[in-house]
Formats: sequence, C-alpha cells, structure tokens
Amino acid sequence: EIVLTQSPGTLSLSPGEGATLSCRTSQALSSTYLAWYQQKPGQAPRLLIYAASSRATGIPDRFSGSGSATDFTLTISSLEPEDFAVYYCQQYGPSPMYTFGQGTKLEIK
Amino acid sequence: QVQLRESGPGLVMPSGTLSLTCAVSVDSINRDNWWTWVRQPPGKGLEWIGEIHQSGNTNYNPSLKSRATMSVDTSMNQLSLKLTSVTAADTAVYYCARATPYKLDYWGQGTLVTVSS
Repeated sequence: EIVLTQSPGTLSLSPGEGATLSCRTSQALSSTYLAWYQQKPGQAPRLLIYAASSRATGIPDRFSGSGSATDFTLTISSLEPEDFAVYYCQQYGPSPMYTFGQGTKLEIK
Repeated sequence: QVQLRESGPGLVMPSGTLSLTCAVSVDSINRDNWWTWVRQPPGKGLEWIGEIHQSGNTNYNPSLKSRATMSVDTSMNQLSLKLTSVTAADTAVYYCARATPYKLDYWGQGTLVTVSS
C-alpha cells in the first residue's frame, strides 16, 4: 500500500503570499495518478489538479501542480481569501484503490 | 454537469448495518463511469471505501475487511452502499463521487452518519 505524506501539517500565510504544499509518496508512481483537492469547512472536496499538473475545469491559474516519482507539489501563486482551506493529495493504485494524504491546513496568518 | 446527492439514516446502532443511497443526475449513471464512496470522520481526513462501475464491477478498500457492499441501479439512477457490523469508528460524513481515470471530479454534498446507541 502506498502512503502519502503531506507537509507541512499547517501553513500560516497572509493573502497575497505564495504557498507551496508538498506530497510525498512511499513508492514512485506515474504522475498520471496524482491529484489535489481543496476542502472548505462543511463542504465536499473539490478537485483542483489531476495528473499532477493539469487544472480541473474552472480552477484559477494561480493554482499549479508539479512533481514526479515520489515528490509532488501544489503551488498557489498569490493567496486569495477564499483559498484558505484544507488541501489533500490523492493517488490511484497500484491495485484499484484511491489513497489520500492526511491533509495540509492553509490558515490565515 | 453531474449532480450527486447522498441520503440515508443519520443514526445507526452499533453492530448494525449502515445503508446509504446516492442519487445521480439523469444520463450520467448509464455512461462508462466508475462511482466511488469516500468517508471522512469528524475532524479527520478522507478514506476511500470503494468503487463500482455501471456494469456492476466493484473494488473495495481492503481495510474494511469485506464489510462494504456497493450496488448500482441504473433504472433508478442511484448507487447504494451497505456497511455491516458498524462501530463508533464508522461515524463519518459519507460522500459519493464520480471517478474518471484516477481522479474524483464530481462529489455529492455528503451525509453524516453517527453510530451510537
């Protein structure tokens, strides 16, 4: 079973600043299988990034994803007030299975 | 636009069976899609429960030790989840979501199920 480890656990930043969130996998995987989600309190997760670097429909271009093998990154170029939320990475495989990281909470400093 | 809505009892007795349904918007469930269930205990992260294809093929999270069963009713445009022998550890918000290759792109709003006597 692949384990996804997200860091940091909590990130305190101010609007306008940039954010870098990390997701490390315990085994190398194809970037095709890596996605990122945003979740706000009381809401369902929302798909942000799939295939490591492709933005989902309607996602602003301040969100970008990168990485390969075991190290993946979600970058938010300039934080808007609505970006403060919890972010999860997710991988698929190797067996038919989805696994999520434990989440990074992005909070207002 | 795919719409999903979960429903079911909000309270289940310990050792009982949790039963949920997910209504899927018309024209979506009969396409070549996989549909998943994900849960989230209060204040915790996301856990994948399993997935079902509109053909009825399924895959489950091994950690649930065969307690989960999913089904699809294409005539009713709905999915179902049953989880047996529940304990307090099964208390969570349960989501249904559409799975397109390797990502979950549409989610329901979730429904909270509490296991308690």
